[in-house]
Amino acid sequence: ILNVEQSPQSLHVQEGDSTNFTCSFPSSNFYALHWYRWETAKSPEALFVMTLNGDEKKKGRISATLNTKEGYSYLYIKGSQPEDSATYLCAFITQAGTALIFGKGTTLSVSS
Amino acid sequence: EAGVAQSPRYKIIEKRQSVAFWCNPISGHATLYWYQQILGQGPKLLIQFQNNGVVDDSQLPKDRFSAERLKGVDSTLKIQPAKLEDSAVYLCASSATGNFYGYTFGSGTRLTVV
Repeated sequence: ILNVEQSPQSLHVQEGDSTNFTCSFPSSNFYALHWYRWETAKSPEALFVMTLNGDEKKKGRISATLNTKEGYSYLYIKGSQPEDSATYLCAFITQAGTALIFGKGTTLSVSS
Repeated sequence: EAGVAQSPRYKIIEKRQSVAFWCNPISGHATLYWYQQILGQGPKLLIQFQNNGVVDDSQLPKDRFSAERLKGVDSTLKIQPAKLEDSAVYLCASSATGNFYGYTFGSGTRLTVV
């Protein structure tokens, strides 16, 4: 059974703090890794899709890195804002897979 | 472009009752997914369609869950009879055929079984 692990499960930071989350996945037969942000009562929003070992992607204050050889990805948020409060989901797919496999997510709460 | 539409947004039913959810994917997206997200867990794939054919339904509890995608567009997911453990958010997503880079999700249906 393919498994995606995310840590921490939840996180509470103050406005302005920088933070990072980890996603671990099986490294064999890797195809792509997705990061989503999911705010309550809204649709999960795609942040990044990463495919190559060593990939680094950035969107405003949020960035992500990928290590396919060791099977992990980091998501970084610089200068957290209250609007960053959400659950951040990591999902991956293998070369033989047909659909994304999700982790449990990291729930971030940012206080002003 | 319009997003993935789902209805209803919320539903509360008693155990042993039936419920149905509806999903309208992005126009032209051949692949449609239903995921179940139970509180504290990650979204789990229930069923994947390509056009109106089933690609994967290995995790669908077929004794009580059913899904169809008529004419390769809209889809419905039904639970009959519901159990307490079916309380979850049911997410629908769509993507273009073979495109593992572009999943678009609906906002989900939150089901509470009491």
